[in-house]
Amino acid sequence: DTGVSQNPRHKITKRGQNVTFRCDPISEHNRLYWYRQTLGQGPEFLTYFQNEAQLEKSRLLSDRFSAERPKGSFSTLEIQRTEQGDSAMYLCASSLGRLRNEQFFGPGTRLTVL
Amino acid sequence: GQQVMQIPQYQHVQEGEDFTTYCNSSTTLSNIQWYKQRPGGHPVFLIQLVKSGEVKKQKRLTFQFGEAKKNSSLHITATQTTDVGTYFCAGGSDNTDKLIFGTGTRLQVFP
Repeated sequence: DTGVSQNPRHKITKRGQNVTFRCDPISEHNRLYWYRQTLGQGPEFLTYFQNEAQLEKSRLLSDRFSAERPKGSFSTLEIQRTEQGDSAMYLCASSLGRLRNEQFFGPGTRLTVL
Repeated sequence: GQQVMQIPQYQHVQEGEDFTTYCNSSTTLSNIQWYKQRPGGHPVFLIQLVKSGEVKKQKRLTFQFGEAKKNSSLHITATQTTDVGTYFCAGGSDNTDKLIFGTGTRLQVFP
């Protein structure tokens, strides 16, 4: 097992375009989390899944953001009509669950919106 | 909503000096985790504390969870240049698996 992977690693897009990121968690992990991190800040929680069920979504998250985990394995995060304020590092993490909740992070996808 | 603050924001130390970062939550936590993020890297899990007043050690690192389960600290003895990075605490609650990350303390160690 090679850990959590994310693709692409970098994405540059123009304002108004849609973007989609993919996360492949550690295979036996049923929890999957998405975070956003800007320079000098801690990871900001966006949403998380238990298997294919999306259990919680941040109230700060715009309706332009949507995430899926259709088969309980990989997950996608889509941002529609991107804005310059969406520029950030998008981190994915996975964990085993409540009793073993330490989170393993992927390398992130750096989004730049021009 | 729940907030987790850390102080100091930055700390510069000479190699061999000690370092401490403090974490405070606005709400009572079920557990607290600590992560280290190297420059240009992603957060890496260090430890989880669950019990009130719990103290755990990892070599030169000592982690403590407050009696009220609202604060925590990380102390590094005799820092080394390999300790450079940003240290985040992250608080968990009973009714959710999500973590609320603190604001982080960036540690710089001069040789």
